[in-house]
Amino acid sequence: DIQMTQSPSSVSASVGDRVTITCRASQNINTWLAWYQQKPGKAPKFLIYAASTLQSGVPSRFSGSGSGTDFTLTISSLQPEDFATYYCQQTNNFPLTFGGGTKVEIK
Amino acid sequence: QVQLQQSGPGLVKPSQTLSLTCAISGDSVSSNSAAWNWIRQSPLRGLEWLGRTYYKSQWYNDYAVSVKSRLTISPDTSKNQFSLHLNSVTPEDTAVYYCARVDVNYHLAGDVFDIWGQGTMVTVSS
Repeated sequence: DIQMTQSPSSVSASVGDRVTITCRASQNINTWLAWYQQKPGKAPKFLIYAASTLQSGVPSRFSGSGSGTDFTLTISSLQPEDFATYYCQQTNNFPLTFGGGTKVEIK
Repeated sequence: QVQLQQSGPGLVKPSQTLSLTCAISGDSVSSNSAAWNWIRQSPLRGLEWLGRTYYKSQWYNDYAVSVKSRLTISPDTSKNQFSLHLNSVTPEDTAVYYCARVDVNYHLAGDVFDIWGQGTMVTVSS
């Protein structure tokens, strides 16, 4: 199975801050990577696919980059509605696997 | 728009079978461009993909090795829904269970979960 490792596990930030989350795959996954946002008590919400393509309706302050084994999710200017937990997922090898999550908290 | 509505019990006794249903609106369980998945989430295991069913001229299933011997995912075309049946459950199966769609029309995306059900908290306890 491909292991997905996210760092940090949590980050404290303020509204307007730039936040970067890292996801590392245990083997080369090219750009077969997706990002999700999850708020408490809710299902994950699909944000980004193919490592860098925003899902329709996702604000442009979100961006994704990377290929191979190292990926990043960046929120350029954190908004109040962005406080949540973010997960990466590799999308091309079965079993499909997720990272452990990064919680973005209010400083 | 596409919506998934989950139903099923929130409490299951050890050794019994956990059964959940996911009703689809706005799409078809028999679609050639979708796969229908079950995922669970627990503090111990995080987000864990369990399996899927999909139709491409015939029905196919794939299961995670960790649950393969205990899990059945089945479509119901008459009701446009799909179900999860996990037998011989233990407290380790306690989790929030989600159904989710993969739409193959996302270019170079692989298997991304674009639509999710609302989640069902299932506790395995006597």
